[in-house]
Amino acid sequence: AQSVTQLGSHVSVSEGALVLLRCNYSSSVPPYLFWYVQYPNQGLQLLLKYTSAATLVKGINGFEAEFKKSETSFHLTKPSAHMSDAAEYFCAVSLLFSGGYQKVTFGTGTKLQVIP
Amino acid sequence: DAGVTQSPTHLIKTRGQQVTLRCSPKSGHDTVSWYQQALGQGPQFIFQYYEEEERQRGNFPDRFSGHQFPNYSSELNVNALLLGDSALFLCASSSNSIRDRGTGNTIYFGEGSWLTVV
Repeated sequence: AQSVTQLGSHVSVSEGALVLLRCNYSSSVPPYLFWYVQYPNQGLQLLLKYTSAATLVKGINGFEAEFKKSETSFHLTKPSAHMSDAAEYFCAVSLLFSGGYQKVTFGTGTKLQVIP
Repeated sequence: DAGVTQSPTHLIKTRGQQVTLRCSPKSGHDTVSWYQQALGQGPQFIFQYYEEEERQRGNFPDRFSGHQFPNYSSELNVNALLLGDSALFLCASSSNSIRDRGTGNTIYFGEGSWLTVV
């Protein structure tokens, strides 16, 4: 079984401050991990993904995430928040099964508010 | 290169009616998944289609059905609509090629179809 827990349904940061969105996963096998961003009334856009090539993954818009197996975490960070970062962020874990079937489980999301 | 496209973007249906949502996958993708995202929640997996067959299904009743066409596009049908079916329905596509499996079969989402049941 696999699951994703996002700590904090709402996070507020000041513009220019560090952004830290937490994600912990549970998986019986090494997973693939993703972060998606959803702006209001839009679909999900891929920010970055972890596929075991490197533990520190850099994504779009200055975001990055570090895979820590010992902590089963995949927290999302950005050094300096911009107003345009205000959105909802989803962590997801993916397992691949034989035949190519992919099971993706999403967290409940974290809404990021950026305060001017 | 067109991404995942969905139609319609918004629709309103009456309880008990039926709805069909459509999805065209990203160019080069052969696998389509459907998700339901209720307000304030994360996407919930409905089912996945590959080679015109439903490969896996989430915890959704038989009122939810789908189809995949030879050109890889897909439809989601919901019968006997309930008020609780109101949600954003997201289509996602990915590639089932061996090469892409090695990179985690990245899933790309469309903009979604907003369904309101009244």
